[in-house]
This record gives sequence, structure tokens and C-alpha cells, in this order.
Amino acid sequence: GENVEQHPSTLSVQEGDSAVIKCTYSDSASNYFPWYKQELGKRPQLIIDIRSNVGEKKDQRIAVTLNKTAKHFSLHITETQPEDSAVYFCAATPHTGNQFYFGTGTSLTVIP
Amino acid sequence: NAGVMQNPRHLVRRRGQEARLRCSPMKGHSHVYWYRQLPEEGLKFMVYLQKENIIDESGMPKERFSAEFPKEGPSILRIQQVVRGDSAAYFCASSPPTGFQETQYFGPGTRLLVL
Repeated sequence: GENVEQHPSTLSVQEGDSAVIKCTYSDSASNYFPWYKQELGKRPQLIIDIRSNVGEKKDQRIAVTLNKTAKHFSLHITETQPEDSAVYFCAATPHTGNQFYFGTGTSLTVIP
Repeated sequence: NAGVMQNPRHLVRRRGQEARLRCSPMKGHSHVYWYRQLPEEGLKFMVYLQKENIIDESGMPKERFSAEFPKEGPSILRIQQVVRGDSAAYFCASSPPTGFQETQYFGPGTRLLVL
């Protein structure tokens, strides 16, 4: 199956600064890459996604970039706020199926 | 439009007992996925089902675990003879039948504690 690696595992930023989380994947034919935010004790919630025919996608303070050649994709959060504090997971789908293979998560702390 | 529902939200079992976890997908969704999340860890794919069919169970342990998604009613993840290592949060997700590699919407999870 797909192998997804995610870095860093923990990230602390000052409020207002930017945060960047990076993921790599192994299946060069993968073509769907969602990002989920999970607050403590809650369900994962989709925050943004990107497909392989697009190099970048932006939604207000959140953006995702995809480099198919290098097989990596990144989440960018600008003007961070304390409510952005959570665990963020990247995921990829293998070209053969619909299921997600998740990265190990990044615990983001935004310091007021 | 109700989201993905799971029950129970919390389940306590003693070693050797059976655990049954239920998942009702979003209305109109016919694809269901089960993921396991161990404490302080990420989400691990277990099984992918469509109505009356197991599509991919490559992430599910070969013994004691089974899953079904009948024509009527919720999807069920069944764990027989539970052990302490089965303690985890079990999330199901659903996606619509409209295409390939669709967005998945997660339920609130069932937190299983094995004593």
C-alpha cells in the first residue's frame, strides 16, 4: 500500500506567524491528497484537499502545494491563531483504491 | 442532513469479550471505511466496504477482527476475544458513490477500552 511520511511531529509557532507541514508519499500514481485537522477527543475534519492535476490550492489562510515529481505535498497556514492548535494529518490514496493512508500527524501549538 | 454516526461512543470490555462497533454513513453514501487510532498515534486504515461487499481488508488483523456492511442497517466492526492492545479509538468514514477517490467524512469515533 501507500506509505506516507509527515514532518515535523510537533510544531510551535507564535500567533500571527506561518506554519508549514510537509508530507511525502510513495505511490507515484496517487492522485488525491486531503488534509485533516483533529482537535483533542474529536473527529478528524477535512480542511483542504488537492488533486494531482493541480499544483496549488488556497482557501483563506490555508494553502496546499503538491510536487508530483518529488512526491511531496505541504500544508501552509498563514497568520496563525490559537484556535489553529490541533493535530494535522496528511493523507494519500493509492491509485488502486479509495482508502486513505495517513501520515503520523503534526501537533501544532499556536502560542498567544 | 445528519453526518456520520457511530455508536457506542465509549465501550468498555474485559479481556476475552466481544466488541461490536456500529457506523451509519451519511445519507446517500455507500462507501464505508474503518480506521484505528492508537493513543498518541495516527489513523491506520483497516477495511473498506461497500454495501454487501468488502472491497479491501488489507489493513485488518487476520484474526479476531471482521467487518460487514449489510444491505440494510449500519456497518459493523466486530472484534472477538478482545485484548488490551485493542484499546483504541475506532473511526469510520463514509464517501459518496459518485466516483473514485472522494472526500471522506468521519464519524465521532468509538473509544474502546479493554480492561
